[in-house]
Amino acid sequence: DSGVTQTPKHLITATGQRVTLRCSPRSGDLSVYWYQQSLDQGLQFLIQYYNGEERAKGNILERFSAQQFPDLHSELNLSSLELGDSALYFCASSVGQGVRNEQFFGPGTRLTVL
Amino acid sequence: AQTVTQSQPEMSVQEAETVTLSCTYDTSENNYYLFWYKQPPSRQMILVIRQEAYKQQNATENRFSVNFQKAAKSFSLKISDSQLGDTAMYFCAFMQDFGNEKLTFGTGTRLTIIP
Repeated sequence: DSGVTQTPKHLITATGQRVTLRCSPRSGDLSVYWYQQSLDQGLQFLIQYYNGEERAKGNILERFSAQQFPDLHSELNLSSLELGDSALYFCASSVGQGVRNEQFFGPGTRLTVL
Repeated sequence: AQTVTQSQPEMSVQEAETVTLSCTYDTSENNYYLFWYKQPPSRQMILVIRQEAYKQQNATENRFSVNFQKAAKSFSLKISDSQLGDTAMYFCAFMQDFGNEKLTFGTGTRLTIIP
């Protein structure tokens, strides 16, 4: 158990819908990262937050958005869902900035868009 | 942009044998970090080993070791005395130095340990 929690574990929804994925980082971790794992694209970095502020952006679609709240939990919002958005979405956290901080991954949320 | 290439989609080895997984990467940076992550059937991502590019000494973690060749941009993972629990997908990942902590992953190698 990495200490990072993600809810829900599974999510099944229809095209055009909107969903919210939630992540609680390890106690004391200030950085949160979101990654998408799909058959087509592999593992891709989406976005990073550090202490409530957006720090880095990857190949995140405009239909996707995220935020980190004052209690440091983070939410990834996916809207106007398409079949291709079906994937495993990981959240990871680290103590702070800098590469010496290991990223601990949560168990992921499996999203299925029908 | 950095790229990470894993040329072995699948590998299998007998239990207790040694296996080496290959990874190459491309970057123009001088300072960076390399990682091997393990993803067992549970889908959990687990850090196996890390290597800092400025360190010449190869990293080791128990049965896991790396062969880091900076000039060749190669970063292979050696698993000694392989165990059934080593069966998993293995991802090589790259991280640039401070200020850009995103992980760039390879496509993975599916490793099966045969009893």
